[in-house]
Amino acid sequence: DTGVSQNPRHKITKRGQNVTFRCDPISEHNRLYWYRQTLGQGPEFLTYFQNEAQLEKSRLLSDRFSAERPKGSFSTLEIQRTEQGDSAMYLCASSLGHQGTYGYTFGSGTRLTVV
Amino acid sequence: GQNIDQPTEMTATEGAIVQINCTYQTSGFNGLFWYQQHAGEAPTFLSYNVLDGLEEKGRFSSFLSRSKGYSYLLLKELQMKDSASYLCAVRDYSQAGTALIFGKGTTLSVSS
Repeated sequence: DTGVSQNPRHKITKRGQNVTFRCDPISEHNRLYWYRQTLGQGPEFLTYFQNEAQLEKSRLLSDRFSAERPKGSFSTLEIQRTEQGDSAMYLCASSLGHQGTYGYTFGSGTRLTVV
Repeated sequence: GQNIDQPTEMTATEGAIVQINCTYQTSGFNGLFWYQQHAGEAPTFLSYNVLDGLEEKGRFSSFLSRSKGYSYLLLKELQMKDSASYLCAVRDYSQAGTALIFGKGTTLSVSS
């Protein structure tokens, strides 16, 4: 296991289309986080899972955003009816519990461009 | 809520020392992290502080004062490859399952 894997790396979509991104965390990590990062900004927290339970989703940007982690392993982030303002890098991170000293391991992200 | 402030940009020359400051306000502090992020890449972990004081790791050191809500990242013997964005992040146990909350990042440019 070489780290957190995200697919696709890049996605270009037309406004109004739905998109889905996948994140495969480090296998022994039980916590998984989704972030959004726009140019010149730090990552913005969206939602997180502990195993398969989504324990925080109030920070999802709108009801067009949803995330799942059906078996407590990989996760998907879906954006419905994409808008140009959704263009950003979407980062996934995983951790083992919440007391580790090494923070969270990030994937390389999915860069979304909405045209 | 949380508020994390760090300078937007800094410049320095090769071989020099640079200090990147971060101030934060949070209700459930449970650790401060520094990440490095090169353009178009994922953030990578640099350092972690949960108690007051200095943590040293090679050319990089990080300091924390919980009473002042203040941290800094010190980079010594700067190299061109250190040109990147440096992100200060706070783990807050009162928020969102202890997700890391990030500042906007400091873009460091190292010139020869």
